[in-house]
Amino acid sequence: DQQVKQNSPSLSVQEGRISILNCDYTNSMFDYFLWYKKYPAEGPTFLISISSIKDKNEDGRFTVFLNKSAKHLSLHIVPSQPGDSAVYFCAAIGSNDYKLSFGAGTTVTVRA
Amino acid sequence: EAGVTQSPTHLIKTRGQQATLRCSPISGHTSVYWYQQALGLGLQFLLWYDEGEERNRGNFPPRFSGRQFPNYSSELNVNALELEDSALYLCASSQVRVTGANVLTFGAGSRLTVL
Repeated sequence: DQQVKQNSPSLSVQEGRISILNCDYTNSMFDYFLWYKKYPAEGPTFLISISSIKDKNEDGRFTVFLNKSAKHLSLHIVPSQPGDSAVYFCAAIGSNDYKLSFGAGTTVTVRA
Repeated sequence: EAGVTQSPTHLIKTRGQQATLRCSPISGHTSVYWYQQALGLGLQFLLWYDEGEERNRGNFPPRFSGRQFPNYSSELNVNALELEDSALYLCASSQVRVTGANVLTFGAGSRLTVL
């Protein structure tokens, strides 16, 4: 049962514009959410996270928004750069959990 | 600081054979996690090892097994390979159990192809 869902397998955006990646979850026990970025032939690398006690966390060009009532989070990348072209995975974990649960990923392509 | 290292990078096997994948965690990390990324799917949790013990496993058949050595390195064994075992196998490590604040660091993965 997929508890973390990324319903958009791909996203294409022009350089300089905003990229918005969406993620939905079903497990109300999740209280921490993370985004990982993966380039081809490399492992996923941690990008940004947010605790359930917050609704926004910002780190440079990356901002994650959390809507607990909708069980939805999004990652905004502003402005998008060619180096942002990668697969982005949404992940979640509960305080009593022992593992991260991942979504299927969204492939972002930033066009020059 | 060396990251998580995995070997081999690529492995080609035929149905029914066995595959062994290896992982060395970041120095000081005691927990090793294995994930499978099959085509079009997200990262599916396979196994978690900590302090030499298997702590939990995902919804995979017993053909998938592994162990953690005293130096915290780990290996994943897949017996009686099936075509659907073809995937990228990712190893990750963390200091003790992963939490929201204690994130996983991944290796580059081992690509297993079963013919």
